[in-house]
Amino acid sequence: DSGVTQTPKHLITATGQRVTLRCSPRSGDLSVYWYQQSLDQGLQFLIQYYNGEERAKGNILERFSAQQFPDLHSELNLSSLELGDSALYFCASSVRGGLAGPSGEQFFGPGTRLTVL
Amino acid sequence: DAKTTQPPSMDCAEGRAANLPCNHSTISGNEYVYWYRQIHSQGPQYIIHGLKNNETNEMASLIITEDRKSSTLILPHATLRDTAVYYCIVMYSNYQLIWGAGTKLIIKP
Repeated sequence: DSGVTQTPKHLITATGQRVTLRCSPRSGDLSVYWYQQSLDQGLQFLIQYYNGEERAKGNILERFSAQQFPDLHSELNLSSLELGDSALYFCASSVRGGLAGPSGEQFFGPGTRLTVL
Repeated sequence: DAKTTQPPSMDCAEGRAANLPCNHSTISGNEYVYWYRQIHSQGPQYIIHGLKNNETNEMASLIITEDRKSSTLILPHATLRDTAVYYCIVMYSNYQLIWGAGTKLIIKP
């Protein structure tokens, strides 16, 4: 158990819909990262937040957005869903991740499996 | 940006050392090498990371060549539970982890 929690575990929805994925980082971790993993692919970095502020952006679509709240939990919002958005979405957290140096070890949650029909 | 190259798959006998190679020939001086593994579709698990020197922890050893263009992850006594996809990743200066396809390691009894 990494200490990172993600809800829901599974999500089935239809094209055109909007969903919200939730992540609670490990206690004390300031950084939250979101990744997308399509079937049999490596992980694609989407976005990182550090202490409430957006820190880095990867291959995140404009239809996707995220935020980190004052209690440090994070939400990833996916809208106008397409079949190709079906994937595992992982959240990870780390203690660091600001501008002072590498983030070090990232702890991953169990993921949310999104299926778009 | 530095990228990594790993063999798509490897086999190893249970109880033997598993040596997983990784090439990162364009790595720059301040970029770290990280190793993670992913068992089935679980969340990836951190294994080890290093900059220049060889590193060892309770899970594995990381050997980085002097020119830093390649590295090897060593699992000293592989067990069936070590069957997983192993990712070698270079941490960019903006602290993103850019993941490749990894090496699927199969431990055989």
